[in-house]
Amino acid sequence: DAGVIQSPRHEVTEMGQEVTLRCKPISGHNSLFWYRQTMMRGLELLIYFNNNVPIDDSGMPEDRFSAKMPNASFSTLKIQPSEPRDSAVYFCASSFRTGVHYGYTFGSGTRLTVV
Amino acid sequence: KQEVTQIPAALSVPEGENLVLNCSFTDSAIYNLQWFRQDPGKGLTSLLLIQSSQREQTSGRLNASLDKSSGRSTLYIAASQPGDSATYLCAGGYSGGGADGLTFGKGTHLIIQP
Repeated sequence: DAGVIQSPRHEVTEMGQEVTLRCKPISGHNSLFWYRQTMMRGLELLIYFNNNVPIDDSGMPEDRFSAKMPNASFSTLKIQPSEPRDSAVYFCASSFRTGVHYGYTFGSGTRLTVV
Repeated sequence: KQEVTQIPAALSVPEGENLVLNCSFTDSAIYNLQWFRQDPGKGLTSLLLIQSSQREQTSGRLNASLDKSSGRSTLYIAASQPGDSATYLCAGGYSGGGADGLTFGKGTHLIIQP
Protein backbone atom coordinates (compact mmCIF):
# COMPACT_ATOMS: atom_id res chain seq x y z
CA ASP A 1 0.00 0.00 0.00
CA ALA A 2 1.41 3.39 -0.98
CA GLY A 3 -0.17 5.12 1.99
CA VAL A 4 -1.91 8.48 1.87
CA ILE A 5 -0.58 10.43 -1.08
CA GLN A 6 -0.55 14.23 -1.14
CA SER A 7 0.47 16.57 -3.91
CA PRO A 8 2.24 18.81 -4.38
CA ARG A 9 4.86 18.40 -1.65
CA HIS A 10 5.72 22.08 -1.79
CA GLU A 11 3.78 25.04 -3.15
CA VAL A 12 4.89 28.64 -3.34
CA THR A 13 2.32 31.10 -4.58
CA GLU A 14 1.65 34.79 -4.58
CA MET A 15 -0.98 36.39 -2.42
CA GLY A 16 -4.35 36.43 -4.12
CA GLN A 17 -3.75 33.33 -6.20
CA GLU A 18 -5.84 30.18 -6.00
CA VAL A 19 -4.18 27.14 -4.44
CA THR A 20 -5.39 23.55 -4.74
CA LEU A 21 -4.01 20.77 -2.59
CA ARG A 22 -4.71 17.16 -3.45
CA CYS A 23 -5.03 13.93 -1.49
CA LYS A 24 -5.47 10.27 -2.34
CA PRO A 25 -6.48 8.25 0.74
CA ILE A 26 -5.64 4.64 1.42
CA SER A 27 -7.79 2.33 -0.64
CA GLY A 28 -10.65 0.98 1.45
CA HIS A 29 -10.59 3.80 3.98
CA ASN A 30 -13.92 5.57 4.26
CA SER A 31 -12.99 8.68 6.24
CA LEU A 32 -10.72 11.50 5.13
CA PHE A 33 -9.41 14.42 7.14
CA TRP A 34 -7.62 17.69 6.34
CA TYR A 35 -5.36 19.20 9.00
CA ARG A 36 -3.21 22.33 9.10
CA GLN A 37 0.03 22.60 11.09
CA THR A 38 1.63 25.86 12.15
CA MET A 39 4.25 26.64 14.75
CA MET A 40 1.84 28.78 16.74
CA ARG A 41 -1.25 26.57 16.74
CA GLY A 42 0.11 23.09 16.12
CA LEU A 43 -2.09 20.63 14.22
CA GLU A 44 -5.70 21.64 13.74
CA LEU A 45 -8.52 19.71 12.10
CA LEU A 46 -10.03 21.68 9.24
CA ILE A 47 -12.67 19.34 7.81
CA TYR A 48 -13.45 15.67 7.50
CA PHE A 49 -15.47 13.46 5.21
CA ASN A 50 -17.18 10.16 5.82
CA ASN A 51 -18.10 8.11 2.75
CA ASN A 52 -17.28 11.16 0.61
CA VAL A 53 -19.75 13.38 2.50
CA PRO A 54 -18.47 16.40 4.48
CA ILE A 55 -19.37 15.82 8.13
CA ASP A 56 -17.75 18.64 10.06
CA ASP A 57 -16.18 21.74 8.52
CA SER A 58 -16.20 23.83 11.68
CA GLY A 59 -12.41 24.02 11.59
CA MET A 60 -12.26 25.69 8.19
CA PRO A 61 -10.92 29.15 9.02
CA GLU A 62 -12.72 31.24 6.42
CA ASP A 63 -14.92 31.10 3.38
CA ARG A 64 -11.75 31.31 1.32
CA PHE A 65 -11.21 27.65 2.17
CA SER A 66 -13.22 24.89 0.54
CA ALA A 67 -12.84 21.12 0.30
CA LYS A 68 -14.36 18.49 -1.92
CA MET A 69 -14.33 14.73 -2.16
CA PRO A 70 -15.82 13.75 -5.51
CA ASN A 71 -15.07 10.06 -5.01
CA ALA A 72 -13.59 7.65 -2.51
CA SER A 73 -10.07 7.99 -3.87
CA PHE A 74 -9.60 11.75 -4.21
CA SER A 75 -10.04 14.95 -2.25
CA THR A 76 -9.03 18.56 -2.75
CA LEU A 77 -8.54 21.51 -0.43
CA LYS A 78 -8.77 24.85 -2.18
CA ILE A 79 -7.82 28.30 -0.95
CA GLN A 80 -9.08 31.22 -2.99
CA PRO A 81 -7.73 33.85 -2.68
CA SER A 82 -4.64 32.85 -0.74
CA GLU A 83 -3.06 35.08 1.91
CA PRO A 84 0.36 35.01 3.60
CA ARG A 85 -1.24 33.83 6.87
CA ASP A 86 -2.33 30.66 5.08
CA SER A 87 1.31 29.58 4.96
CA ALA A 88 1.48 26.25 6.81
CA VAL A 89 1.86 22.53 6.27
CA TYR A 90 -1.40 20.90 5.25
CA PHE A 91 -1.85 17.23 6.04
CA CYS A 92 -4.38 14.77 4.77
CA ALA A 93 -5.22 11.66 6.77
CA SER A 94 -7.51 8.72 6.23
CA SER A 95 -9.03 5.98 8.36
CA PHE A 96 -11.47 3.14 8.24
CA ARG A 97 -14.55 3.94 10.27
CA THR A 98 -16.03 0.85 11.84
CA GLY A 99 -17.20 -0.30 15.27
CA VAL A 100 -13.75 0.02 16.79
CA HIS A 101 -11.50 2.76 15.50
CA TYR A 102 -8.07 1.62 14.43
CA GLY A 103 -6.36 4.96 14.09
CA TYR A 104 -5.34 7.33 11.35
CA THR A 105 -2.74 7.29 8.59
CA PHE A 106 -1.26 10.61 7.57
CA GLY A 107 0.23 11.74 4.31
CA SER A 108 3.57 13.51 4.04
CA GLY A 109 1.93 16.92 3.83
CA THR A 110 2.01 19.90 1.51
CA ARG A 111 4.12 22.83 2.62
CA LEU A 112 2.38 25.98 1.41
CA THR A 113 4.13 29.32 1.29
CA VAL A 114 2.14 32.39 0.26
CA VAL A 115 4.29 35.42 -0.48
CA LYS B 1 -13.37 22.30 24.34
CA GLN B 2 -10.90 19.45 24.62
CA GLU B 3 -7.27 20.33 25.10
CA VAL B 4 -4.20 18.15 24.89
CA THR B 5 -0.99 19.33 26.51
CA GLN B 6 2.52 17.97 26.21
CA ILE B 7 5.26 18.91 28.64
CA PRO B 8 8.14 19.50 28.19
CA ALA B 9 8.17 21.10 24.76
CA ALA B 10 11.75 19.93 24.29
CA LEU B 11 13.94 17.27 25.87
CA SER B 12 17.57 16.29 25.36
CA VAL B 13 19.03 13.11 26.86
CA PRO B 14 22.15 10.98 26.35
CA GLU B 15 21.94 7.85 24.28
CA GLY B 16 20.96 4.71 26.15
CA GLU B 17 18.72 6.34 28.71
CA ASN B 18 15.15 5.30 29.31
CA LEU B 19 12.76 8.23 29.08
CA VAL B 20 9.13 9.17 29.51
CA LEU B 21 7.14 11.67 27.47
CA ASN B 22 4.02 13.08 29.05
CA CYS B 23 0.62 13.95 27.61
CA SER B 24 -2.36 15.32 29.52
CA PHE B 25 -5.91 15.86 28.32
CA THR B 26 -8.78 17.82 29.80
CA ASP B 27 -11.73 15.60 28.98
CA SER B 28 -11.91 12.09 30.39
CA ALA B 29 -14.58 11.19 27.80
CA ILE B 30 -11.86 10.14 25.43
CA TYR B 31 -12.34 7.19 23.10
CA ASN B 32 -8.73 6.62 22.18
CA LEU B 33 -5.31 8.20 22.26
CA GLN B 34 -2.70 7.94 19.55
CA TRP B 35 1.01 8.68 19.68
CA PHE B 36 2.81 9.86 16.56
CA ARG B 37 6.36 10.60 15.56
CA GLN B 38 7.21 13.47 13.22
CA ASP B 39 10.64 13.88 11.67
CA PRO B 40 11.69 17.33 10.41
CA GLY B 41 9.88 18.21 7.18
CA LYS B 42 8.04 14.90 7.19
CA GLY B 43 4.57 13.60 7.88
CA LEU B 44 3.27 11.83 10.96
CA THR B 45 4.10 8.20 11.64
CA SER B 46 1.70 6.40 13.95
CA LEU B 47 3.47 4.69 16.85
CA LEU B 48 0.78 3.38 19.17
CA LEU B 49 -2.99 3.60 19.56
CA ILE B 50 -4.65 2.99 22.92
CA GLN B 51 -8.40 2.45 23.13
CA SER B 52 -10.17 3.88 26.18
CA SER B 53 -10.80 0.35 27.44
CA GLN B 54 -7.07 -0.40 27.44
CA ARG B 55 -4.40 0.63 29.92
CA GLU B 56 -1.33 0.31 27.71
CA GLN B 57 0.11 -0.74 24.38
CA THR B 58 3.61 -1.90 23.52
CA SER B 59 5.63 -1.95 20.34
CA GLY B 60 9.30 -2.85 20.53
CA ARG B 61 11.07 -0.36 22.78
CA LEU B 62 7.95 1.79 23.08
CA ASN B 63 5.24 1.51 25.69
CA ALA B 64 2.27 3.86 25.94
CA SER B 65 -0.12 4.04 28.86
CA LEU B 66 -3.50 5.67 29.30
CA ASP B 67 -5.12 6.75 32.57
CA LYS B 68 -8.51 8.31 31.84
CA SER B 69 -9.28 9.16 35.44
CA SER B 70 -6.20 11.35 35.77
CA GLY B 71 -6.29 12.59 32.18
CA ARG B 72 -2.78 11.39 31.42
CA SER B 73 -0.89 9.31 28.93
CA THR B 74 2.81 8.51 28.86
CA LEU B 75 5.10 7.24 26.15
CA TYR B 76 8.04 5.26 27.53
CA ILE B 77 11.07 4.81 25.31
CA ALA B 78 13.57 2.23 26.47
CA ALA B 79 17.27 2.33 25.69
CA SER B 80 17.04 5.50 23.60
CA GLN B 81 19.02 5.78 20.36
CA PRO B 82 20.01 8.80 18.23
CA GLY B 83 17.51 7.58 15.63
CA ASP B 84 14.73 8.25 18.14
CA SER B 85 15.34 11.97 17.78
CA ALA B 86 12.10 13.50 16.47
CA THR B 87 9.01 15.34 17.62
CA TYR B 88 6.51 13.15 19.41
CA LEU B 89 2.84 14.10 19.28
CA CYS B 90 -0.07 12.72 21.23
CA ALA B 91 -3.65 13.12 20.07
CA GLY B 92 -7.03 12.25 21.51
CA GLY B 93 -10.16 11.01 19.74
CA TYR B 94 -13.23 12.48 21.45
CA SER B 95 -16.14 11.97 19.12
CA GLY B 96 -17.71 9.25 17.03
CA GLY B 97 -15.93 6.52 18.94
CA GLY B 98 -12.69 8.32 18.23
CA ALA B 99 -13.32 8.29 14.49
CA ASP B 100 -14.24 11.97 14.05
CA GLY B 101 -10.72 13.31 14.01
CA LEU B 102 -8.05 14.06 16.59
CA THR B 103 -7.18 16.83 19.01
CA PHE B 104 -3.41 17.18 19.04
CA GLY B 105 -0.90 18.36 21.59
CA LYS B 106 1.91 20.58 20.32
CA GLY B 107 4.49 17.88 20.74
CA THR B 108 7.74 17.18 22.56
CA HIS B 109 10.89 17.74 20.52
CA LEU B 110 13.26 14.95 21.57
CA ILE B 111 17.01 14.95 20.97
CA ILE B 112 19.07 11.88 21.80
CA GLN B 113 22.74 12.81 22.17
CA PRO B 114 25.18 10.23 20.76
